[in-house]
Amino acid sequence: AAGVIQSPRHLIKEKRETATLKCYPIPRHDTVYWYQQGPGQDPQFLISFYEKMQSDKGSIPDRFSAQQFSDYHSELNMSSLELGDSALYFCASSVGGNSYNEQFFGPGTRLTVL
Amino acid sequence: AQKVTQAQTEISVVEKEDVTLDCVYETRDTTYYLFWYKQPPSGELVFLIRRNSFDEQNEISGRYSWNFQKSTSSFNFTITASQVVDSAVYFCALRYSGGGADGLTFGKGTHLIIQP
Repeated sequence: AAGVIQSPRHLIKEKRETATLKCYPIPRHDTVYWYQQGPGQDPQFLISFYEKMQSDKGSIPDRFSAQQFSDYHSELNMSSLELGDSALYFCASSVGGNSYNEQFFGPGTRLTVL
Repeated sequence: AQKVTQAQTEISVVEKEDVTLDCVYETRDTTYYLFWYKQPPSGELVFLIRRNSFDEQNEISGRYSWNFQKSTSSFNFTITASQVVDSAVYFCALRYSGGGADGLTFGKGTHLIIQP
């Protein structure tokens, strides 16, 4: 079965650079979630989208922005990168934009900021 | 506000022992969902179970079992006859049933080490 696709899988950036992470949900999934997991930490919810509209917002820094496109893929844009942004970024997708349906997680993008 | 507490940061047992991972949650919501995820060293998050707040039935899946007790706000996870492949970080998570695409609130995780 098709899973959530995240690209790139690994990314290395310098401080103050920008980065764009991409997420392709499971086919027919219309809801996307972004999470950040720092080293040795639990995943922290950043933001979610349902039908291309922002649905819920967590602890997303102002330097980050995200959107969901007409084909339901999503991109997380990160500017003025800091060392503390080094983390594993997960995307998850689900159906229907409600809290009942299970979130299926992608493999994650590992961002390293030097 | 929601909160998930996994008091055990690390547990080490010898293979074939039974082990229980504790999870205590806090929420003001009457309807919510509880989850367990496994994160092996490779890093992916593997879904194990979801439990609706109205369903307090315990569940067994092979060597895994879950005990949900609303009275104590706990959702504990037991692995019977543990195996080395069970070594991973296990996260308990909570989700508000507010009708929208709400994010999960995770606990800090329990690092389970199964020694051969």
